[in-house]
Amino acid sequence: DAGVTQSPTHLIKTRGQQVTLRCSPKSGHDTVSWYQQALGQGPQFIFQYYEEEERQRGNFPDRFSGHQFPNYSSELNVNALLLGDSALYLCASSLPMGLDTDTQYFGPGTRLTVL
Amino acid sequence: AQSVTQLDSHVSVSEGTPVLLRCNYSSSYSPSLFWYVQHPNKGLQLLLKYTSAATLVKGINGFEAEFKKSETSFHLTKPSAHMSDAAEYFCVVSDLYSGAGSYQLTFGKGTKLSVIP
Repeated sequence: DAGVTQSPTHLIKTRGQQVTLRCSPKSGHDTVSWYQQALGQGPQFIFQYYEEEERQRGNFPDRFSGHQFPNYSSELNVNALLLGDSALYLCASSLPMGLDTDTQYFGPGTRLTVL
Repeated sequence: AQSVTQLDSHVSVSEGTPVLLRCNYSSSYSPSLFWYVQHPNKGLQLLLKYTSAATLVKGINGFEAEFKKSETSFHLTKPSAHMSDAAEYFCVVSDLYSGAGSYQLTFGKGTKLSVIP
């Protein structure tokens, strides 16, 4: 059973560009959450998707947007990149309600560098 | 609002000696608590989870954590450190999000564990 997968592994962009990161959840999971982990910090919650809609959002600007597809995979989009967006972006998935739904399983992350 | 405080940013132990990583939390509800481990340039791996079934929780790789409600603490321990335990450890609290039926994780800043041969 494959775990959470993310692509690409690494990405280098310049300021002002746009980026799309992708995530496939564990089999049987229907909820996907995205986190930003700056160097030397703990992950910060960006948003969560369920049933193809954004269900929760952390304290991130509208430049950060996402999407969830019918197969539960998800994308994170960041527009107008800033140097401060350089971080490890983590995707996590969890089971449907009533099935240990508060436990999140993380992917390996995408390392984004903005120059 | 929920929060997590990891009391040590860096802990160094000798191989074969006990490990203690300290965590205090704040939550409005009855939260679930987790410890995750992150090895260099890797994602997060779940070590263990507390859900109120038992105050002493056993996890993978010999780690365990004890929930103490009166102290709002959830410290992580291991009797004997191994070189492979060197990593960053995160204490995490999960609270039910305001009726939306979803859970939000709040992470501590992390404790870097170094193991000296």
